[in-house]
Amino acid sequence: DGGITQSPKYLFRKEGQNVTLSCEQNLNHDAMYWYRQDPGQGLRLIYYSQIVNDFQKGDIAEGYSVSREKKESFPLTVTSAQKNPTAFYLCASSMGPSGGNEQFFGPGTRLTVL
Amino acid sequence: AQSVTQLGSHVSVSEGALVLLRCNYSSSVPPYLFWYVQYPNQGLQLLLKYTSAATLVKGINGFEAEFKKSETSFHLTKPSAHMSDAAEYFCAVRDSGAGSYQLTFGKGTKLSVIP
Repeated sequence: DGGITQSPKYLFRKEGQNVTLSCEQNLNHDAMYWYRQDPGQGLRLIYYSQIVNDFQKGDIAEGYSVSREKKESFPLTVTSAQKNPTAFYLCASSMGPSGGNEQFFGPGTRLTVL
Repeated sequence: AQSVTQLGSHVSVSEGALVLLRCNYSSSVPPYLFWYVQYPNQGLQLLLKYTSAATLVKGINGFEAEFKKSETSFHLTKPSAHMSDAAEYFCAVRDSGAGSYQLTFGKGTKLSVIP
């Protein structure tokens, strides 16, 4: 089955800790994305990557970091610099570069800071 | 910058009634438009998309949407609501310019279906 997997589904973090969220896709998509979702806020773009070893900041990149060493993988690190990290995080991928290509989403990771 | 407005954060309809979820966008050029659905604690699933072919777009689960350039709207409709339609719906837009990878999402409309 082709798709996007995210792990873990639930993650708890103590304040001051860095945590890494996993995102893997087997759709052979070039582009990958990370979004943050808060109630009533829609989805906000954190980082995106159009190609291996390249990525760009989205609208709310502060306190987050990413890497894209393999086409299939786009992990997101939530650092201690992120002031309010409790949220639902969604990873997505798409074929590029045509703008008509939809994004496919993973099941999400819910991060809670204790 | 692109923006998307979804009128009504919550919409309630009776089972069997018409579903109408509103989406307006701001764009100086014809964009690409998408509707996604999200069930609780899950990812988003594409319902339908407009890519400048037909202005009336049919999607999955009986949903459709009409692109109206003069009104900068892309409202989502379904003739008869089913209990399984209860979910949150997101409208998204992408510029049609080259290299435009980013989607801009609306804040979502939560649909409740009353039996």
